[in-house]
Amino acid sequence: KQEVTQIPAALSVPEGENLVLNCSFTDSAIYNLQWFRQDPGKGLTSLLLIQSSQREQTSGRLNASLDKSSGRSTLYIAASQPGDSATYLCAATNQAGTALIFGKGTTLSVSS
Amino acid sequence: GAVVSQHPSRVICKSGTSVKIECRSLDFQATTMFWYRQFPKQSLMLMATSNEGSKATYEQGVEKDKFLINHASLTLSTLTVTSAHPEDSSFYICSARDHGLAGGDEQFFGPGTRLTVL
Repeated sequence: KQEVTQIPAALSVPEGENLVLNCSFTDSAIYNLQWFRQDPGKGLTSLLLIQSSQREQTSGRLNASLDKSSGRSTLYIAASQPGDSATYLCAATNQAGTALIFGKGTTLSVSS
Repeated sequence: GAVVSQHPSRVICKSGTSVKIECRSLDFQATTMFWYRQFPKQSLMLMATSNEGSKATYEQGVEKDKFLINHASLTLSTLTVTSAHPEDSSFYICSARDHGLAGGDEQFFGPGTRLTVL
């Protein structure tokens, strides 16, 4: 059964820093992997979707990579801003049409 | 991206009452929707998979008689928490799969419903 782990659980950085959030999964036969952002008490905002055939996806200051052989994905945030403060969730699905399996998230705090 | 709505966004009820939560895909058809539950400072845990026109598939440990799911149309799934108790207090989030998109099988999430049972 797929398990998703995120490290670190919490991260605090000063504004302007580049940072990397890590996600690992136990079953390399994933179908796709998604990164989400969740603000306190709110729902999920999809950031990036990486299909199993892809190595990375980029959106603005965000870049997500996928390495199935090592069971890892990273979310790179460039030039962090206070508005980036949130919990970032990584989730994977092993088959088309099946539910996502979530990690516990990394709570990011960017200070000005 | 596609939009998924949930109603209500927040509900407070007395112990023993039933609460219905609606999940709607606003601009696409969703044959499959998923219901998740999130406890404070925890991640999302899948409760059940809702399939249009058929019975929902529940995850191990989720009581199907307590969490009734109905997916009567391609744009609406409902979750009813029957005889709610304080331990059912949680954040309930639905997602819908837009199978019309070309590849990716992306899932779109509703804004969530905060249930508090007194």
